[in-house]
Amino acid sequence: DAGVIQSPRHEVTEMGQEVTLRCKPISGHNSLFWYRQTMMRGLELLIYFNNNVPIDDSGMPEDRFSAKMPNASFSTLKIQPSEPRDSAVYFCASSLTGSYNEQFFGPGTRLTVL
Amino acid sequence: RKEVEQDPGPFNVPEGATVAFNCTYSNSASQSFFWYRQDCRKEPKLLMSVYSSGNEDGRFTAQLNRASQYISLLIRDSKLSDSATYLCVVTGGYNKLIFGAGTRLAVHP
Repeated sequence: DAGVIQSPRHEVTEMGQEVTLRCKPISGHNSLFWYRQTMMRGLELLIYFNNNVPIDDSGMPEDRFSAKMPNASFSTLKIQPSEPRDSAVYFCASSLTGSYNEQFFGPGTRLTVL
Repeated sequence: RKEVEQDPGPFNVPEGATVAFNCTYSNSASQSFFWYRQDCRKEPKLLMSVYSSGNEDGRFTAQLNRASQYISLLIRDSKLSDSATYLCVVTGGYNKLIFGAGTRLAVHP
């Protein structure tokens, strides 16, 4: 079975550009999570969807970040405009019925903003 | 104060050694607890859940002390393949997982 799929795996962009990260959760999972990982701050939850509806976006750093989940098999995280401090690894994870069950992580997108 | 605190390590141990990691958490309302493992430049993966009565999975033993808000992971007979970062995870609020910064383990021959 395919796991969580993320694209692109690596993204290098210049400050001010728009960045879109994509995620396909495991089929049948109804919860999707976006995380950001840096050396300084560790793994931080950005936003969480349940049944395609955003439940908690308190971790989204600022208005430059937005996330959507138009259907059960696709989600995007957009940064516009990007800044060097956004450089990090962005993980998408999915689970069944919320985070009390195991979350399965995708391979991550390594973002570098120059 | 961080919600989940772990010693970052690294713990450098020889093969065959027993090593223990500790973790403290600040939210007394947390209900579920986990250890995740993350290999270098890879995604985190669930290692084991942690139950109040303590639980064991092969060479790995996890313990929970709710009164002290303390979680531990014991690895016996360390293997080279155990080298990784171990993330302590607790639930926080509605369906959220709070990750510790991780403890790095390096097992050498």
